[in-house]
Amino acid sequence: ELKVEQNPLFLSMQEGKNYTIYCNYSTTSDRLYWYRQDPGKSLESLFVLLSNGAVKQEGRLMASLDTKARLSTLHITAAVHDLSATYFCAVDPISGTYKYIFGTGTRLKVLA
Amino acid sequence: DAGVTQSPTHLIKTRGQQVTLRCSPKSGHDTVSWYQQALGQGPQFIFQYYEEEERQRGNFPDRFSGHQFPNYSSELNVNALLLGDSALYLCASSLNMYETQYFGPGTRLLVL
Repeated sequence: ELKVEQNPLFLSMQEGKNYTIYCNYSTTSDRLYWYRQDPGKSLESLFVLLSNGAVKQEGRLMASLDTKARLSTLHITAAVHDLSATYFCAVDPISGTYKYIFGTGTRLKVLA
Repeated sequence: DAGVTQSPTHLIKTRGQQVTLRCSPKSGHDTVSWYQQALGQGPQFIFQYYEEEERQRGNFPDRFSGHQFPNYSSELNVNALLLGDSALYLCASSLNMYETQYFGPGTRLLVL
């Protein structure tokens, strides 16, 4: 059974600090997505990672993908309150199903 | 350019009733996927429609059915509602079956 696991599940951090969210998945895949979700809202696309070694950065967020380790990371640099949200990674299995399998989510709270 | 739209935004039903949710994809997109997101969890794939046919299906019972129209819009129908069907239902569209999915605002369904 395909599993996508994120850790930590909950993260409370001070403004200005750095932290990394990890996304591990159990099947072969070369497509991984990161989404942000604010309370009561839909999913906002952050990053699309399409190959091994892919690295993308937007503002204080940087995502990377290691397909051999089946691991993606979302690194937060100098966190600010506005980054408080739930972050999901999603895997698009290579098997050709083209359905996204979402991780458990990481609820991030940045304290002022 | 309008993004993915969904209607209604909120819905309250009672057990045993039937419900229809609607989705209009992003302009130019021909593939629609539906996800169920229970409170505090990641979205779970229900099914995907392309060229008016169901192409992929997740682990959901036959009470969940759908339809795609020639203009690519889609409906999700749920029969014999259960309390456990209470969730946020998200529609996502993509250029084709293989491209990045963009999510709509969701329909929040409450079953009493």
